[in-house]
Amino acid sequence: ETGVTQSPTHLIKTRGQQVTLRCSSQSGHNTVSWYQQALGQGPQFIFQYYREEENGRGNFPPRFSGLQFPNYSSELNVNALELDDSALYLCASSPDMVVMTEAFFGQGTRLTVV
Amino acid sequence: RKEVEQDPGPFNVPEGATVAFNCTYSNSASQSFFWYRQDCRKEPKLLMSVYSSGNEDGRFTAQLNRASQYISLLIRDSKLSDSATYLCVVNYRAQKLVFGQGTRLTINP
Repeated sequence: ETGVTQSPTHLIKTRGQQVTLRCSSQSGHNTVSWYQQALGQGPQFIFQYYREEENGRGNFPPRFSGLQFPNYSSELNVNALELDDSALYLCASSPDMVVMTEAFFGQGTRLTVV
Repeated sequence: RKEVEQDPGPFNVPEGATVAFNCTYSNSASQSFFWYRQDCRKEPKLLMSVYSSGNEDGRFTAQLNRASQYISLLIRDSKLSDSATYLCVVNYRAQKLVFGQGTRLTINP
């Protein structure tokens, strides 16, 4: 296994609600990235955190926000949920903010918005 | 135009066949290239990195053509366990990986 764990594994929310997803990165990894994967699509980059600071953001609205903690674990928060937010949310950790050699993914959180 | 483009398939091939996947990317400043494998309802996992010199790992061969901005993956003597979605991935800034749509492969007995 990758050593990256995400919680919860599945979640059902109602449109308009808020959700928090959590990720524990692999030991020694200080960089965490979040991705959204809609059904039948490849993962799309949401943002990255490096040493508790946001370091790059994809084409997602401000209602997608995040945090990284001193132990390098991370949260993804989504406000005012929309039906199109239904997707698999993946967290990936890597050892440093350098040219990537490999990202280690967690098993994902499958979010359904009804 | 998408940053990374792949034929979404699906590809259905018999066991033992050779199958090839292709991928193009739009950003010439791209620095790192990968193929990831994703099983149904699971997370992506690195299959192999891709280098300009080409690289091989058992039955898998990956090639990169920087001039054409083209990446390929060849699977020889395919096994039932190769059935998965194969994702072409490019990195041009340390901040993010850019994924293609993925190509679904089914190996039939």
